[in-house]
Amino acid sequence: QKEVEQNSGPLSVPEGAIASLNCTYSDRVSQSFFWYRQYSGKSPELIMSIYSNGDKEDGRFTAQLNKASQYVSLLIRDSQPSDSATYLCAVSYNNNDMRFGAGTRLTVKP
Amino acid sequence: GAVVSQHPSRVICKSGTSVKIECRSLDFQATTMFWYRQFPKQSLMLMATSNEGSKATYEQGVEKDKFLINHASLTLSTLTVTSAHPEDSSFYICSARYQGVQFFGPGTRLTVL
Repeated sequence: QKEVEQNSGPLSVPEGAIASLNCTYSDRVSQSFFWYRQYSGKSPELIMSIYSNGDKEDGRFTAQLNKASQYVSLLIRDSQPSDSATYLCAVSYNNNDMRFGAGTRLTVKP
Repeated sequence: GAVVSQHPSRVICKSGTSVKIECRSLDFQATTMFWYRQFPKQSLMLMATSNEGSKATYEQGVEKDKFLINHASLTLSTLTVTSAHPEDSSFYICSARYQGVQFFGPGTRLTVL
């Protein structure tokens, strides 16, 4: 059983729309949650981290965490073609164990 | 802060040769570094966890004698692909943990002819 699950996509949204990326994780003691963006041919880069239930906003990005539902999401407002990438959800269970989802490929069409 | 570098960024080698990839944490010390491999259009696959001063921990199915990992200092881990073959051609990415967050190096693209 996978520990971190994401819809592989591709998710396609028009420019200017809200892109919603979802991630669920297995029932373990989870501490920290992260979203990484990976452009084609590049390595992942951290875009958001969230540690407690609720919403966390950073510019056009909002991370949402619901520990009761074991669910973390990333919303991208006013999506731009430059947001087209694969988005990886990561869950940290302790300081030495971080698990990544397989990623959701997002395409923002002009 | 929390910059991870890799060298080389790209390497082409002949089948049967060995290739060494370096991963450095530039502005922090990392007792643990991670090595990933990614084939085109596929997910990141964790290969091994590199621990400073001790043996690396390899994921199931990863040959430790083929992928040699050395973590001799708090800022440097190396991955050596021994007797490389065309099927080892891939994108190799290292990462290091800083204040509970994993930061990735830029990756090394290995092509074995």
